[in-house]
Amino acid sequence: SAVISQKPSRDICQRGTSLTIQCQVDSQVTMMFWYRQQPGQSLTLIATANQGSEATYESGFVIDKFPISRPNLTFSTLTVSNMSPEDSSIYLCSVVTADYGYTFGSGTRLTVV
Amino acid sequence: QKEVEQNSGPLSVPEGAIASLNCTYSDRGSQSFFWYRQYSGKSPELIMFIYSNGDKEDGRFTAQLNKASQYVSLLIRDSQPSDSATYLCAVNRYGNKLVFGAGTILRVKS
Repeated sequence: SAVISQKPSRDICQRGTSLTIQCQVDSQVTMMFWYRQQPGQSLTLIATANQGSEATYESGFVIDKFPISRPNLTFSTLTVSNMSPEDSSIYLCSVVTADYGYTFGSGTRLTVV
Repeated sequence: QKEVEQNSGPLSVPEGAIASLNCTYSDRGSQSFFWYRQYSGKSPELIMFIYSNGDKEDGRFTAQLNKASQYVSLLIRDSQPSDSATYLCAVNRYGNKLVFGAGTILRVKS
């Protein structure tokens, strides 16, 4: 399966600011996914990031709040904009490879104060 | 109705016993089903996936799929304290997206 490097691993941010999370994959992948895991909850898909096109957002998530970039087949970023305490979560990127392997990055634990 | 449903637990089993984790899904068109294990503070790690009716075994783990009943389960034989974690069931839907259940907390008592 693919190896994903995600950073930062954690951050504490002031409300109203933005944080950009990076995911680097060790192989070229077509689809990358961004998930949110709120405290004590399961994973919720934020958006799908495909290279060369705009990200596709799930219901309840909008581009202005969670802009995503996908400049090439090994890299993506998720920005959490204008943060509030409700954005405190773990954010995870994920990729799917041809052998149906869905692999997750190590996650970014975000605390907004 | 949630797309993927799991009993949140916690499920407590003694060491050496069989742990049985269950999951139901609502979309009959779902084709692939995944079980992930997540330790506290860590990201999910894939245990196994299944897409054909019946059983699939991998070491101490067996996944069972019944598409007619829209039911998938995970059996863990000879449970160990190190198996204590949250187990997430996920279903692949259109666009290769994974939809996750809420997870079942498993506690293996030594």
